[in-house]
Amino acid sequence: ETGVTQTPRHLVMGMTNKKSLKCEQHLGHNAMYWYKQSAKKPLELMFVYNFKEQTENNSVPSRFSPECPNSSHLFLHLHTLQPEDSALYLCASSQGEGIEMGAFFGQGTRLTVV
Amino acid sequence: QQQVKQSPQSLIVQKGGISIINCAYENTAFDYFPWYQQFPGKGPALLIAIRPDVSEKKEGRFTISFNKSAKQFSLHIMDSQPGDSATYFCAASMMASGSRLTFGEGTQLTVNP
Repeated sequence: ETGVTQTPRHLVMGMTNKKSLKCEQHLGHNAMYWYKQSAKKPLELMFVYNFKEQTENNSVPSRFSPECPNSSHLFLHLHTLQPEDSALYLCASSQGEGIEMGAFFGQGTRLTVV
Repeated sequence: QQQVKQSPQSLIVQKGGISIINCAYENTAFDYFPWYQQFPGKGPALLIAIRPDVSEKKEGRFTISFNKSAKQFSLHIMDSQPGDSATYFCAASMMASGSRLTFGEGTQLTVNP
């Protein structure tokens, strides 16, 4: 285990549903990230939080809403998604804000929008 | 704009062979080049990384070769094993400005027994 836990592992939702993805890290890291991984595409950074404060929103549509109540927990709230939003959503954490300082990824949530 | 281009998209190697994955970047300000390994059902894990002040870094069977003038870097897996079968991603960033990692598209490596 990498110390970053994501739930649920799989999620199927309709376009009118509202759901949330959860990420928890037990590594004492200060920074947390959401990435989107689509087939045959590079990993796309979505959001960055450092000490609970959002430091980056990479032009993500408003149907994705992040929440970071503390340095150990990160949520991604989903509403009125589109089929093209189906992907693997990965959470990561690192000691510093730079992911290159030793980032650890969770196993991801496989999201399917129907 | 695809700033980091990775090839090949897929690679099949026999056990004991050498696996070579290549990446090319455009932004000369990049100064940190990591490789990530991802097994099915798992998140990516940092495998090995290099800075442009060296031309090669080796960790066990894994070696990064870096060619600054050509703006290219590659991952070599010596004595490839079936357990190395995974997807490999190269990435690049500008550490001085704390920029985020820009990832390549990934290479699916299969090592046959």
